[in-house]
Amino acid sequence: DTEVTQTPKHLVMGMTNKKSLKCEQHMGHRAMYWYKQKAKKPPELMFVYSYEKLSINESVPSRFSPECPNSSLLNLHLHALQPEDSALYLCASSPWDTSNSPLHFGNGTRLTVT
Amino acid sequence: AQTVTQSQPEMSVQEAETVTLSCTYDTSENNYYLFWYKQPPSRQMILVIRQEAYKQQNATENRFSVNFQKAAKSFSLKISDSQLGDTAMYFCAFMNQGTNAGKSTFGDGTTLTVKP
Repeated sequence: DTEVTQTPKHLVMGMTNKKSLKCEQHMGHRAMYWYKQKAKKPPELMFVYSYEKLSINESVPSRFSPECPNSSLLNLHLHALQPEDSALYLCASSPWDTSNSPLHFGNGTRLTVT
Repeated sequence: AQTVTQSQPEMSVQEAETVTLSCTYDTSENNYYLFWYKQPPSRQMILVIRQEAYKQQNATENRFSVNFQKAAKSFSLKISDSQLGDTAMYFCAFMNQGTNAGKSTFGDGTTLTVKP
């Protein structure tokens, strides 16, 4: 069982839609991450939140908007996406205060933009 | 900037045999951490093993062990007694300590198939 829960598992959206991806963890981790992964490729970092503040934004287009309402939740708001944004979106968390802690990943949301 | 290179896009091994996946990296940092992650076709990425750069002793986790050569910037993964459930894509990852802490750099991955 995954300790990082992502919803929905699958999402199909049109280019004019607005949708949100959700991520939740109850491990007390203080860092949360969004990654984008294309098939057979490594995850690409998009955003990092530490202690509920955005600490890293990897020059992600503004059509992706992250939000961290509290230390357990992380959202990714999507608007006016392009077909090339279709990918697996992975959420991860880590304790942050111990740098050798690995990332704990969720199962991901498979996003298809039509 | 850090780079991580996995030179073997695909590998296969017979069940019960041993296989080694290679990983090299480049960094100017002295303190960092290295990880191997496994991503089965079910897609959840999970940690296989971790290594702190300041530790000379190679990490071991049951059937999984690493050969960490800091001077050569090499971090290979050995899987002993391979099992069908080891079939997955394996990613080597580097994590900064200090500047840009929390930012992981992944290699391109090695797809491992364990054959019965």
